[in-house]
Amino acid sequence: NAGVTQTPKFRILKIGQSMTLQCTQDMNHNYMYWYRQDPGMGLKLIYYSVGAGITDKGEVPNGYNVSRSTTEDFPLRLELAAPSQTSVYFCASTDLQGWKGTQYFGPGTRLLVL
Amino acid sequence: GQNIDQPTEMTATEGAIVQINCTYQTSGFNGLFWYQQHAGEAPTFLSYNVLDGLEEKGRFSSFLSRSKGYSYLLLKELQMKDSASYLCAVRGASGGSYIPTFGRGTSLIVHP
Repeated sequence: NAGVTQTPKFRILKIGQSMTLQCTQDMNHNYMYWYRQDPGMGLKLIYYSVGAGITDKGEVPNGYNVSRSTTEDFPLRLELAAPSQTSVYFCASTDLQGWKGTQYFGPGTRLLVL
Repeated sequence: GQNIDQPTEMTATEGAIVQINCTYQTSGFNGLFWYQQHAGEAPTFLSYNVLDGLEEKGRFSSFLSRSKGYSYLLLKELQMKDSASYLCAVRGASGGSYIPTFGRGTSLIVHP
C-alpha cells in the first residue's frame, strides 16, 4: 500500500493563477480531508468528504473547491490564488470502521503564492 | 464548537521525562488523538484515548480525563529524535460526522 499520496510536492503560483492539488489513497477509506498548516499553527480543516459524491466545508473553505468522484481521489482546487493561500496542504484519510479512526496523512504540498 | 489549548513550546534534556498537556472544550466527544510531526513532514499517529485513564505504548503514554477536559502525553527516556511538534486533536460528534479538531501543537526541543 502506498497509503496517501499527494502531488505536487512543491509549487509556486502567481497571484490570480489556479491549480489543483491531487490526493489519492489506496486504503479504501471513506473519509478524506484537506488541511492547511501555516507556520507555528495547527491544522485547519478546509474541506472533507464522507464518501464518493459527498463533500462538506470545514473551518476555512473560502477560495477552495473540492470534488469526490471516486473513493480514492479527493482533489483540491484553488481558483484565483492569493498570497494568503501560501501554506502547506495536507490530505488525510480515515476509515471509521478501522482502528479507532486514525488519520493517515499524505506527505504534503508546499504552495507559495507570489 | 471546539477549543483546544496546549503549550506552544517545551524544552527537555535527553534521557528525561516530559509531559505535554492538552485541555479542550467540545460539544460531544468521540476520542482524543496525539500526533507527532517532525519539521517538514506529515503528522503521524501516536495515541488514542476515548475512555478515562492511561494508555501506555512503549516510551509514550497518554492520559485522558473527560470530566476535566484534559489530556497529557508523557514521553519517557527522551531521545534527540523526539524533538518534534506534538499535536492534540479532539474528535467531536456533531451532526454525525466524526471530524477531529487540532490544537496548535507543542514544539518539543530535546537538548543533549
